[in-house]
Amino acid sequence: ETGVTQSPTHLIKTRGQQVTLRCSSQSGHNTVSWYQQALGQGPQFIFQYYREEENGRGNFPPRFSGLQFPNYSSELNVNALELDDSALYLCASSSGTAGRYEQYFGPGTRLTVT
Amino acid sequence: GIQVEQSPPDLILQEGANSTLRCNFSDSVNNLQWFHQNPWGQLINLFYIPSGTKQNGRLSATTVATERYSLLYISSSQTTDSGVYFCAVVLTGSNSKLTFGKGITLSVRP
Repeated sequence: ETGVTQSPTHLIKTRGQQVTLRCSSQSGHNTVSWYQQALGQGPQFIFQYYREEENGRGNFPPRFSGLQFPNYSSELNVNALELDDSALYLCASSSGTAGRYEQYFGPGTRLTVT
Repeated sequence: GIQVEQSPPDLILQEGANSTLRCNFSDSVNNLQWFHQNPWGQLINLFYIPSGTKQNGRLSATTVATERYSLLYISSSQTTDSGVYFCAVVLTGSNSKLTFGKGITLSVRP
């Protein structure tokens, strides 16, 4: 059984650019959530996708957007990058929504915005 | 929104010692998970424990949902236990997001 995978591992972008991060969910999982973790903080919820539909969103601006594909993999897109977007981005997958199912996290993508 | 407080914020132990990590939450929850974050950032699942007690080797956890707290016990600590421990909850009635505490940084010295 393959766990949650994320790509790329590291990324350096310039302020104002756009970035796409990718996540492949664990086999059998239909729900993907994205989290942002700033240095020294706990992860903060960005949004969740359940069966290709957005199913909850945290306090992040619209320039953070996402997509889930029929195979349940997912993308996180961030437009007009700001310096404060520098963080570890974590993807989690589960058999259903977070309220009822255990969440499993990928290794993360470390984004640096200069 | 729901508040999640973890204590103590930092913990230093000698190898072989036991410890208790605490997580308090401000409202009713229907999901609670404990994670260990390794130095590379990976969140490793320790327990899925909305209520009751579970044990896995040297680790055990107890959640008393009615009193809004959870405890993680580490016995006979090893240097590999070092890292940050997070508690995360899902508010009852919400079905999407895990709300994390700020974490507890554990250092186990040889």
